[in-house]
Amino acid sequence: EAGVTQFPSHSVIEKGQTVTLRCDPISGHDNLYWYRRVMGKEIKFLLHFVKESKQDESGMPNNRFLAERTGGTYSTLKVQPAELEDSGVYFCASSSGTSGVRDTQYFGPGTRLTVL
Amino acid sequence: GNSVTQMEGPVTLSEEAFLTINCTYTATGYPSLFWYVQYPGEGLQLLLKATKADDKGSNKGFEATYRKETTSFHLEKGSVQVSDSAVYFCALIRGKLIFGTGTRLQVFP
Repeated sequence: EAGVTQFPSHSVIEKGQTVTLRCDPISGHDNLYWYRRVMGKEIKFLLHFVKESKQDESGMPNNRFLAERTGGTYSTLKVQPAELEDSGVYFCASSSGTSGVRDTQYFGPGTRLTVL
Repeated sequence: GNSVTQMEGPVTLSEEAFLTINCTYTATGYPSLFWYVQYPGEGLQLLLKATKADDKGSNKGFEATYRKETTSFHLEKGSVQVSDSAVYFCALIRGKLIFGTGTRLQVFP
């Protein structure tokens, strides 16, 4: 069974540009999460999808970030326009949702975003 | 609120030494607790978990016991290897995962 995949693995852009990150969850997982780790600090929650619906987007830092999950499969996270403080590693995770909030989340390898 | 506190790193050990990475949490109720590990150049991997008080999670020689009296979930391994060098993250779950800052472990031969 394939794990969570993310694309690209690295992205280097200039301030003001747009970047779109993609996450493909484990097949059949209804729950999809985005997290990020900035400057070696703790990993922080961004948002949670259940199928195609946003269940919790309380961690989204501002309206420059837009997440979508069309059809309840893969998800994209767009940053527009990117700022220097957006640099970090963006992780995607998925879970099956069969046990509610105690479900184990499985993570992708992350996308390292550098904004110059 | 809910939070996780981990010991600062890096932790530097010689091969076969005993490892402890401290983790304490603050939470309402008794959330499931996790240790994740990130090896160099790789993503986060679940190392072990415990879903209720007094549970012991174990994997690859690592262990952690869910202690509600001390609100702790310390990670231990009796004999570390060079291949254990990685960043270790303690976390609790409240719908979303709430992580500690991570502890870098460096094991030298």
